[in-house]
Amino acid sequence: QQQVKQSPQSLIVQKGGISIINCAYENTAFDYFPWYQQFPGKGPALLIAIRPDVSEKKEGRFTISFNKSAKQFSLHIMDSQPGDSATYFCAASPANSGYALNFGKGTSLLVTP
Amino acid sequence: DAGVTQSPTHLIKTRGQQVTLRCSPKSGHDTVSWYQQALGQGPQFIFQYYEEEERQRGNFPDRFSGHQFPNYSSELNVNALLLGDSALYLCASSLLAGGRNEQFFGPGTRLTVL
Repeated sequence: QQQVKQSPQSLIVQKGGISIINCAYENTAFDYFPWYQQFPGKGPALLIAIRPDVSEKKEGRFTISFNKSAKQFSLHIMDSQPGDSATYFCAASPANSGYALNFGKGTSLLVTP
Repeated sequence: DAGVTQSPTHLIKTRGQQVTLRCSPKSGHDTVSWYQQALGQGPQFIFQYYEEEERQRGNFPDRFSGHQFPNYSSELNVNALLLGDSALYLCASSLLAGGRNEQFFGPGTRLTVL
C-alpha cells in the first residue's frame, strides 16, 4: 500500500521555467516531509524538508508548499536549470527520529536548454 | 567529514546464493536504516538498527537479515536470492537522539541476481 502518492511521473520543463511536483498522504501521524534528489547511479540526497507547523519553506530556488487540511505538499523549483534534471522523491514519516521514511514513486524531471 | 559509505558498489549473484552488503554511517550517527530501491521506484524500507538491535522492520521476508556492530556500521544479508531481489540497496544513517528524522543516504549497492 503506497502511503505517499506522487505526481507527475515525469516532467519536462524549459530552462528558466518552474517545475512543480505534488504529493499526497493519508496517515495523520506523518509530520515530517522531506524531498530527495537522486541522480542516476547515486543515492538520494536530502534537498529540503518541512514540518506542518509552517505552510511554506524556501531554500534558494527550492520551495515546499504544505496544505495540512488537504494532506498535500508540493515542491517548486524556480528558474529550473539543466543541472536540476534528476529524479525527485517526496517522503513522509513521523517527525521524531527513528522512523521509516515512506517514499513516493518519484518524478523524473528533464530541464531542456 | 565522510558521509555514508557502502560496499561493494556492484554485485552479481545467481539465484539461491547469499549476499552480504556493508554500510558505514555518517560520522556522529548511531542509527542505520536499509532500503531497497527497485528500478523506477522509490526506496522501500527494509529495517533499522540501533544499539546493535533491529528496531523496526518493513514488509520483507526473513531471508533479509541484518547486523549492527559496536562502531555503528551495519551489514545487510540476503539468503536464497531470487531474481526479484535485483535492486539498488541503500543504507541511510541518522542520529536517534537528535530528535529529527533526517536520514542521509549512501550511494547504494547495485545487486543483480541472474
